[in-house]
Amino acid sequence: AQKVTQAQTEISVVEKEDVTLDCVYETRDTTYYLFWYKQPPSGELVFLIRRNSFDEQNEISGRYSWNFQKSTSSFNFTITASQVVDSAVYFCALKANFGNEKLTFGTGTRLTIIP
Amino acid sequence: NAGVTQTPKFRVLKTGQSMTLLCAQDMNHEYMYWYRQDPGMGLRLIHYSVGEGTTAKGEVPDGYNVSRLKKQNFLLGLESAAPSQTSVYFCASMGTLKLALDEQYFGPGTRLTVT
Repeated sequence: AQKVTQAQTEISVVEKEDVTLDCVYETRDTTYYLFWYKQPPSGELVFLIRRNSFDEQNEISGRYSWNFQKSTSSFNFTITASQVVDSAVYFCALKANFGNEKLTFGTGTRLTIIP
Repeated sequence: NAGVTQTPKFRVLKTGQSMTLLCAQDMNHEYMYWYRQDPGMGLRLIHYSVGEGTTAKGEVPDGYNVSRLKKQNFLLGLESAAPSQTSVYFCASMGTLKLALDEQYFGPGTRLTVT
């Protein structure tokens, strides 16, 4: 069975602060794929990043960065110098290699950036 | 390309009524999904399809039926709506498992209220 845990239900930070969203996953597969999606107040789901289990390199895209650590089964997401437009619900998701047509989502973290 | 579209965007039903939600994608994707999103629960998979003419149960299939008569369309039916089915419903599609890193593309969602 697969599981994704996002323990932070809600986070509020003041604009320009850095913030890290935690994601911990469980899977028995040795090959798997991790994703982050953003859901802004408008409601649509926007794909942010994917990572496979063989690639533990951290990734940076502008103000966004992701830290993947297999040793702790975590795939954390950091926003640097947060902006009001970053306010959204963020979902972490897992797809195993076997039966990999399905995504398992975490319950999401609601991030509010206070101007 | 319109991507993934959903019809309708909003609907209010009375208990016991039936309705069908339509999902359409113009990306020639093989895989299509129906999720429901409830507060604090993340996205939960209702049913999915791995190709035209196929359907399979997800995590929360009870009370729903689906059909995939055409590759581009995936219909979600509620035969006898219940207040517990009040939710936001998202459709998603994905290209092919040949590229296991494929992400799912989401529609804009349908907000359903059952009174």
